[in-house]
Amino acid sequence: DARVTQTPRHKVTEMGQEVTMRCQPILGHNTVFWYRQTMMQGLELLAYFRNRAPLDDSGMPKDRFSAEMPDATLATLKIQPSEPRDSAVYFCASGLGWGENTEAFFGQGTRLTVV
Amino acid sequence: AQKVTQAQTEISVVEKEDVTLDCVYETRDTTYYLFWYKQPPSGELVFLIRRNSFDEQNEISGRYSWNFQKSTSSFNFTITASQVVDSAVYFCALSERTGGFKTIFGAGTRLFVKA
Repeated sequence: DARVTQTPRHKVTEMGQEVTMRCQPILGHNTVFWYRQTMMQGLELLAYFRNRAPLDDSGMPKDRFSAEMPDATLATLKIQPSEPRDSAVYFCASGLGWGENTEAFFGQGTRLTVV
Repeated sequence: AQKVTQAQTEISVVEKEDVTLDCVYETRDTTYYLFWYKQPPSGELVFLIRRNSFDEQNEISGRYSWNFQKSTSSFNFTITASQVVDSAVYFCALSERTGGFKTIFGAGTRLFVKA
């Protein structure tokens, strides 16, 4: 049963600490999305990769957030330093990313709480 | 720029009622895809349907049906004979060729189905 795997599922951290969230996309998928979900803003697209190259990270606060794909099986989203306003559920999604196969398959999310 | 509007924030129905969730989109592209996702209380987003901009045929899948009308830029979702298990947040989403098929979501509609 192929699925997107995100770790950790929950993270509580103190303000100022570094947070790293990891995502393993579905094998063979070439597109990875990072979304943030909050009550106020809904689902916001933070970053978007195709074939490991960033296509769009305009939704991401550049001063503290960074997203990378070290290899095809791992995507990371890092926040340094974290702030209470970063508290949200962070979703990773993967897909085949072109034409008829553009739907995104989501992981279970990482619930981040910054205190 | 691409945009998705789900004007209904919350809908409450009684089991066995039919319910329609509205979705209006904006795009300047001629090639785009529309999606519906379901987010049950467990939190994971589940893909329901994809429609491309060249196919306006309506689709039915069991109790679910979708009405795509390019003339009104709408892609509405109807649940027939609703059930308690349909209670969830439903998201409409859009990806367009110009944006490299990145997927943008509406704010979501929370559906409560009461027994």
